[in-house]
Amino acid sequence: ETGVTQTPRHLVMGMTNKKSLKCEQHLGHNAMYWYKQSAKKPLELMFVYNFKEQTENNSVPSRFSPECPNSSHLFLHLHTLQPEDSALYLCASSQSKGEAYEQYFGPGTRLTVT
Amino acid sequence: GQNIDQPTEMTATEGAIVQINCTYQTSGFNGLFWYQQHAGEAPTFLSYNVLDGLEEKGRFSSFLSRSKGYSYLLLKELQMKDSASYLCAVTDSNYQLIWGAGTKLIIKP
Repeated sequence: ETGVTQTPRHLVMGMTNKKSLKCEQHLGHNAMYWYKQSAKKPLELMFVYNFKEQTENNSVPSRFSPECPNSSHLFLHLHTLQPEDSALYLCASSQSKGEAYEQYFGPGTRLTVT
Repeated sequence: GQNIDQPTEMTATEGAIVQINCTYQTSGFNGLFWYQQHAGEAPTFLSYNVLDGLEEKGRFSSFLSRSKGYSYLLLKELQMKDSASYLCAVTDSNYQLIWGAGTKLIIKP
C-alpha cells in the first residue's frame, strides 16, 4: 500500500465520451502529479499541482483537464479522446515541489480509447 | 534537450549480480532517482543519489558520477522477484523529474 489510490483501475471509453480519473493521497503531501505511461517510452509528466496551484502544464492537449480541489485529491477530466491517448495514467504525490523529494505513485488507470 | 539513456532490456541469472547503467544530459542537476516497477504495478522508490559515490541499501546499491553524467544500479544475489523494469530519473535545475524509458530486467533460473 503506497498511500496513493486511483480509480478506476481500468477504463474503456469511446472517443465521444466524457470520463474522469480520480486520485487520492493519504500521505499529507503538498504536491501531486499526473503522468502518462506508454509502452517503452519514458514517463510523460502532464500536470503538476503544488499546494493546490497548478505549476506545470507540459503542452498537454485541452481534451485533458486537471482539477485539484485540495492537497489530497486530484482529478483528470477526459473528453473527446483519441486512440493514441490509450495508456496507463499514473498519479503521484511528493512532500512538495521545489526540492528533490521522492514521489509516491498510485497503481494507475489503464485507459483504452476505442 | 534533456535526455536519459538506459538499456531497454537485460537478462541475468538468479543468484548473480547485474549492473544497470544510466547516462544523462539535463539542464542542471539536483539528484538522481532509481525506481522499480513490476509489470502492471506502480513505480516504487529504490534510491536517491545527489553526491558522487556509492549508496548501499541491502542487496541494491546505486552509484553516481556527476562529472560523467552517469549512474548505475547494482543488484546482488538476484531473486526471481527482481524481475521488473528499473527507471532512472534526474531532477533538473527546476526540480522537474526527467525520466528514462526504463530497463526491463529478466531473471532466469
